[in-house]
Amino acid sequence: DAKTTQPPSMDCAEGRAANLPCNHSTISGNEYVYWYRQIHSQGPQYIIHGLKNNETNEMASLIITEDRKSSTLILPHATLRDTAVYYCIASGSSNTGKLIFGQGTTLQVKP
Amino acid sequence: GAVVSQHPSWVICKSGTSVKIECRSLDFQATTMFWYRQFPKQSLMLMATSNEGSKATYEQGVEKDKFLINHASLTLSTLTVTSAHPEDSSFYICSAIFLLGQGAGEAFFGQGTRLTVV
Repeated sequence: DAKTTQPPSMDCAEGRAANLPCNHSTISGNEYVYWYRQIHSQGPQYIIHGLKNNETNEMASLIITEDRKSSTLILPHATLRDTAVYYCIASGSSNTGKLIFGQGTTLQVKP
Repeated sequence: GAVVSQHPSWVICKSGTSVKIECRSLDFQATTMFWYRQFPKQSLMLMATSNEGSKATYEQGVEKDKFLINHASLTLSTLTVTSAHPEDSSFYICSAIFLLGQGAGEAFFGQGTRLTVV
């Protein structure tokens, strides 16, 4: 699976959009980009995934660049409960569900 | 969404004893489950892939005789930490995969088990 690179930490004001970047320059054609988050002392939670097209669900939007070398997770209106570690993971169809976690981005939403 | 239940949520055991952790997929069948370990202030580290009806596949550096995995049914995988030592103290987390089609899958994680070996 391709390696991903994320900033270690970010701050965001409550109510504002949180934009979390991820670099995956070595991603291969059959690898999806997945985003999960982990709130302190809990199991991770799925947020969204995509292959080539931008995706949106009730939690977030995922913007993938045309060359697929990077992506951005957008939380449109961050709340205090969105404070968590966010993980961007590239994972292929040959190993569906096998997630190799990097260090992620610690997002702190501030009032 | 789907629920994966892990039991127990926390356990304290004496050095040298064995501890069994259960991971149940409550509302879907999971042919594959995964076990992770997480030390304080660190990321999740994949330990092994649990396959229903066959032997688990362990990641490099994970001792298969120390961390016994059994996946006897489509809804239950167990991890047994044998002859536990204080350095095995950690947060253990399982996941079950719900296939979405076209090679994608959504991982549902248990709430984790905090193991403390004294």
